[in-house]
Amino acid sequence: DIQMTQSPSSLSASVGDRVTITCRASQGIRNDLGWYQQKPGKAPKRLIYAASSLQSGVPSRFSGSGSGTEFTLTISSLQPEDFATYYCLQHNSYPLTFGQGTKVEIK
Amino acid sequence: QLQLQESGPGLVKPSETLSLTCTVSNGSITSYTHFWDWIRQPPGKGLEWIGTIYYTGKTFYNPSLQSRVTLSVDTSTNQFSLKLRSVTAADTAVYYCTRRDYDPNYGMDVWGQGTTVTVSS
Repeated sequence: DIQMTQSPSSLSASVGDRVTITCRASQGIRNDLGWYQQKPGKAPKRLIYAASSLQSGVPSRFSGSGSGTEFTLTISSLQPEDFATYYCLQHNSYPLTFGQGTKVEIK
Repeated sequence: QLQLQESGPGLVKPSETLSLTCTVSNGSITSYTHFWDWIRQPPGKGLEWIGTIYYTGKTFYNPSLQSRVTLSVDTSTNQFSLKLRSVTAADTAVYYCTRRDYDPNYGMDVWGQGTTVTVSS
């Protein structure tokens, strides 16, 4: 199984801050990775697919990068509506595996 | 816009079978270019992939659940289903159904709203 190690598990940030979340895969997964945002009581929502492609309708302050084993989600200027939990997901091989999640909280 | 809706009992007794159905609306489950997945999330915890089914009935399961899980598809009703046998309190979770692109680059683009299942006597 491919393990996805996501860090940090939580962070506190202020509106306007730049935020970076990292996922590391235990083996190479090309760019078969997505980033998802989940707000309390809601289903996850895809932000990024193919590691760096922005989902239609998602603000451009979100960006993804990486390939192989190291991946990053960046929020360039944190907005109030961005406070949520973020997950990476590898869909390169079965079983599909998620990162542990990063909870982004208000400082 | 394609939509997914989970349905099934919200309460299941320990040792019994959890059964959920996902109804696909405004689209076809016989799409050649999509898989259909189940994901779950225990209270306060992260997301866990349960398994995948293609419209032909081909399945892939999470090894951690494989001995207890069966996925099925009904193309006549545009639905796919999850059965999880011998449940315990550890199976209490929100269960989501999703659509995933056949190309591994793309992942899950549509999610159901989720349904909460509690395992308790």
